Amino acid sequence: QQQVKQSPQSLIVQKGGISIINCAYENTAFDYFPWYQQFPGKGPALLIAIRPDVSEKKEGRFTISFNKSAKQFSLHIMDSQPGDSATYFCAASLQGGSEKLVFGKGTKLTVNP
Amino acid sequence: NAGVMQNPRHLVRRRGQEARLRCSPMKGHSHVYWYRQLPEEGLKFMVYLQKENIIDESGMPKERFSAEFPKEGPSILRIQQVVRGDSAAYFCASSRTQGPDTQYFGPGTRLTVL
Repeated sequence: QQQVKQSPQSLIVQKGGISIINCAYENTAFDYFPWYQQFPGKGPALLIAIRPDVSEKKEGRFTISFNKSAKQFSLHIMDSQPGDSATYFCAASLQGGSEKLVFGKGTKLTVNP
Repeated sequence: NAGVMQNPRHLVRRRGQEARLRCSPMKGHSHVYWYRQLPEEGLKFMVYLQKENIIDESGMPKERFSAEFPKEGPSILRIQQVVRGDSAAYFCASSRTQGPDTQYFGPGTRLTVL
């Protein structure tokens, strides 16, 4: 019940395309859903986060779509750039993010020039 | 405004030795979380601490691992009698004391056990 399942494991997109990464969760008590971006040898960096009272949140080229009834959320990267090539992790937490984060296994995104 | 600091960045230990990993949270943050990342895996929660208190250690192995966050100084993750399976990247994250919040991650310590 504490799992977060992420797909796909890897993704290759052409420059300018849309990258879509999906996550599903079981625990309906989760109330905070962040996405992290990690470059090789670095720590994860918060990209964008959403709470279940909204269905979509957009920040620049990054959009989270949230489907509470399906217990799913996804990250869309519009106009993908080679600099977006990284590993992306979805996560979920209780208590608005002040408790432990439960992470998906990650998606390695490669954006070809 | 310095971010979360971790040291050392790389640590090599032989089997049976002790490993000490340090984490200094962001200024104004008094919550610290430790996560472990195995190769090609996501991050796994280990322990959540506030100053002088362990709040949740449900992800920490019962033996050989311990963590502390003293009133003064950094948080320490200690691994005694390391084994090869302990080789991983260990990340520390910190958050503020109140309200809806986010966890900010440090650069990690990469532990290699020979």
